Amino acid sequence: EAGVAQSPRYKIIEKRQSVAFWCNPISGHATLYWYQQILGQGPKLLIQFQNNGVVDDSQLPKDRFSAERLKGVDSTLKIQPAKLEDSAVYLCASSMEGDSSYEQYFGPGTRLTVT
Amino acid sequence: GNSVTQMEGPVTLSEEAFLTINCTYTATGYPSLFWYVQYPGEGLQLLLKATKADDKGSNKGFEATYRKETTSFHLEKGSVQVSDSAVYFCALRSRGGGNKLTFGTGTQLKVEL
Repeated sequence: EAGVAQSPRYKIIEKRQSVAFWCNPISGHATLYWYQQILGQGPKLLIQFQNNGVVDDSQLPKDRFSAERLKGVDSTLKIQPAKLEDSAVYLCASSMEGDSSYEQYFGPGTRLTVT
Repeated sequence: GNSVTQMEGPVTLSEEAFLTINCTYTATGYPSLFWYVQYPGEGLQLLLKATKADDKGSNKGFEATYRKETTSFHLEKGSVQVSDSAVYFCALRSRGGGNKLTFGTGTQLKVEL
């Protein structure tokens, strides 16, 4: 079974530029999560989708971050404009459903460096 | 709110040494507790979990026991190997909070020959 796929794996941009990350969850997984992992910290949930609807985006900085999952499968996370403090690893995870009985499976992450 | 506190790393051990990584938590109610492992260049993988007090999670020689009285979930392994070198994250999930995970800051383990 293929795991969660993410691209690109690495991205370097200058501050005030825009960037987008892509995630393809495990086939059949209805729930998709985006986490931000700043160096030296644990992952922090940014947004959770159930199919193509948003379940929780309480920690998403909506002035600069946006995410979509239009067809309930792939998802894109965008930052516009980027700030230095956005340098982090962005992790995508998926689970069969969104309730607590289902394990989350994580992708390898996208490492973003903002200069 | 929910929080997880882990011991700081890096932890450096010789092969076959005993490992303990401390984890304590703050949460309302009775959360589920997890240990995730992140090998270099890879995503987080679930290592073990416990869903209620006094439960012991175990996998690949690692163990952790859910201690409600001390709000702890310390990770242990009797004899570490070089291949165990990774970053270990303790996490919790509140009951009734959907599937949202709250992570600790991670502890890097380095095992040397």
